[in-house]
Amino acid sequence: QQQVKQSPQSLIVQKGGISIINCAYENTAFDYFPWYQQFPGKGPALLIAIRPDVSEKKEGRFTISFNKSAKQFSLHIMDSQPGDSATYFCAAGDGGSQGNLIFGKGTKLSVKP
Amino acid sequence: SAVISQKPSRDICQRGTSLTIQCQVDSQVTMMFWYRQQPGQSLTLIATANQGSEATYESGFVIDKFPISRPNLTFSTLTVSNMSPEDSSIYLCSVATGTDTQYFGPGTRLTVL
Repeated sequence: QQQVKQSPQSLIVQKGGISIINCAYENTAFDYFPWYQQFPGKGPALLIAIRPDVSEKKEGRFTISFNKSAKQFSLHIMDSQPGDSATYFCAAGDGGSQGNLIFGKGTKLSVKP
Repeated sequence: SAVISQKPSRDICQRGTSLTIQCQVDSQVTMMFWYRQQPGQSLTLIATANQGSEATYESGFVIDKFPISRPNLTFSTLTVSNMSPEDSSIYLCSVATGTDTQYFGPGTRLTVL
């Protein structure tokens, strides 16, 4: 029940296209859903996060869509660029657990020029 | 956000030895965490470093193998003890500043021969 399932494992998108990564969770106590971007040799960097009180959050080219009833959330990268090529991790957190985050397995995104 | 540094950035160690990894934050934080990321894999929480008390370990991780210290609100250490090749991983420190948001350090890449 603590798992966060992420798909796809890898994704290849043409420059200018839309990248979509999906995550699903089971624990209804989760109330915080961040996405992290990780480049090779670097630590994960917080990209964008959402809470269940909204269904969508947009920051620049990055959008999180959240479906509470389906217990799913997704990351959309509009106008994908080669510089977006990285591994993306979704995560879920329960404020009651002192900030612990459960991470998905990651999606390796390659944006082709 | 917080600026987090880790030392060393990488190391190659012999089987049976121990390595202590340092995590320094540029401001006082409420929570500090240690994660392990095996090559090409997701992040797994090792423990929560508690200031002034013993760390809280996740299932599968024990204090004898991964002793943790947190002497103040800006610093923590993780020791990987009696290392074996299976301990080869990236070890990441993260901090939370009073909300759910976690920020990660650059990681320590450990190779055990």
